[in-house]
Amino acid sequence: AQSVSQHNHHVILSEAASLELGCNYSYGGTVNLFWYVQYPGQHLQLLLKYFSGDPLVKGIKGFEAEFIKSKFSFNLRKPSVQWSDTAEYFCAVDLADSGYALNFGKGTSLLVTP
Amino acid sequence: DTGVSQNPRHKITKRGQNVTFRCDPISEHNRLYWYRQTLGQGPEFLTYFQNEAQLEKSRLLSDRFSAERPKGSFSTLEIQRTEQGDSAMYLCASSLLETQYFGPGTRLLVL
Repeated sequence: AQSVSQHNHHVILSEAASLELGCNYSYGGTVNLFWYVQYPGQHLQLLLKYFSGDPLVKGIKGFEAEFIKSKFSFNLRKPSVQWSDTAEYFCAVDLADSGYALNFGKGTSLLVTP
Repeated sequence: DTGVSQNPRHKITKRGQNVTFRCDPISEHNRLYWYRQTLGQGPEFLTYFQNEAQLEKSRLLSDRFSAERPKGSFSTLEIQRTEQGDSAMYLCASSLLETQYFGPGTRLLVL
């Protein structure tokens, strides 16, 4: 069965530290990959997405992610985090042949301290 | 604001009661999705519509759950005979193509 694994459930960083959140999925077919963010008290927002082409994708607010097909990974990175990046981050995969329903990881809670 | 809207935002009910939630998607989005999110978990897919047709249901959607999208615009999700295990955030999302846009959710508490 398809699954999405996020390795870090809770991450605490100081401002200006670099961030990398891991995401692995298990599915052998064609997938589209997403990172969503949920700021405190707000709804899920799209950070970035990968459908095809350049495996390094850039999203909003300085985030980027790299798709490594051989590792079934789609890790999220940011060179220098800010306090305002404190949020819950979700990796998601959809199946192009399943109405694009999203399969989410359990999420990573990021706390950035001043 | 022309995003996805959901009503009510919060619902408290007693076990055994029926509840209904509404989702208004972004205008012209033909796909509409329902998800459920419990504490410490990512959203879990429940069902989706393309226009008014319900094309897929998750095994999570027991026979107490029903969803409709009668005119291909707004959708309703009804839970009959609620149980305490139904307490969760119910999220709606809509899309035109592959990218889904989420609403703020309806938080359900079953006492």
